[in-house]
Amino acid sequence: AQSVTQLDSQVPVFEEAPVELRCNYSSSVSVYLFWYVQYPNQGLQLLLKYLSGSTLVKGINGFEAEFNKSQTSFHLRKPSVHISDTAEYFCAVSAYSGAGSYQLTFGKGTKLSVIP
Amino acid sequence: ETGVTQTPRHLVMGMTNKKSLKCEQHLGHNAMYWYKQSAKKPLELMFVYSLEERVENNSVPSRFSPECPNSSHLFLHLHTLQPEDSALYLCASSQDSGAQDTQYFGPGTRLTVL
Repeated sequence: AQSVTQLDSQVPVFEEAPVELRCNYSSSVSVYLFWYVQYPNQGLQLLLKYLSGSTLVKGINGFEAEFNKSQTSFHLRKPSVHISDTAEYFCAVSAYSGAGSYQLTFGKGTKLSVIP
Repeated sequence: ETGVTQTPRHLVMGMTNKKSLKCEQHLGHNAMYWYKQSAKKPLELMFVYSLEERVENNSVPSRFSPECPNSSHLFLHLHTLQPEDSALYLCASSQDSGAQDTQYFGPGTRLTVL
């Protein structure tokens, strides 16, 4: 079975500073990795995903993530955050769950607060 | 309407009530999902439908009953709920139910059980 650990439940950061949100996963099979963002009173929206190929993945709103197989990590980074980046961020892994279907397993989320 | 819509956005119900949550996707997708989002817990997948057939049921109590009449609509029928069922219920859809498919989420229904 797969699991996802987001090490920080809350991350405060000043505006225009860099940020890294950490994600580690465990799975015994090949995985596909996702980062979703949830703004207040909204559903989740895809930021980026890793399927194969280059381990550095670029997403929307200036975010990027690096897949590290040896460390089983998929950390999310942004070099300079804006107030509008204040939201909750979820890391997820997709893996085969049996019965012909795949399932997304989510971490508990990291709340990013950007301070003016 | 575009994307994934959910109604109602907020619902308060007593433990003896029967209510239904509705989800509609306007993306032409073949797979639809129900998730439960509770505070301080990861999103929990409840049900998966692919081409209107249920393909996943993650040990959800029978007081939750899904219905998928066509590939655009998904319902979650609720009856005799418990206070611990209070949560945000999210619907999602994807092109197919494969590992690489991006899921598109609705805004959710905030459910409070008194």
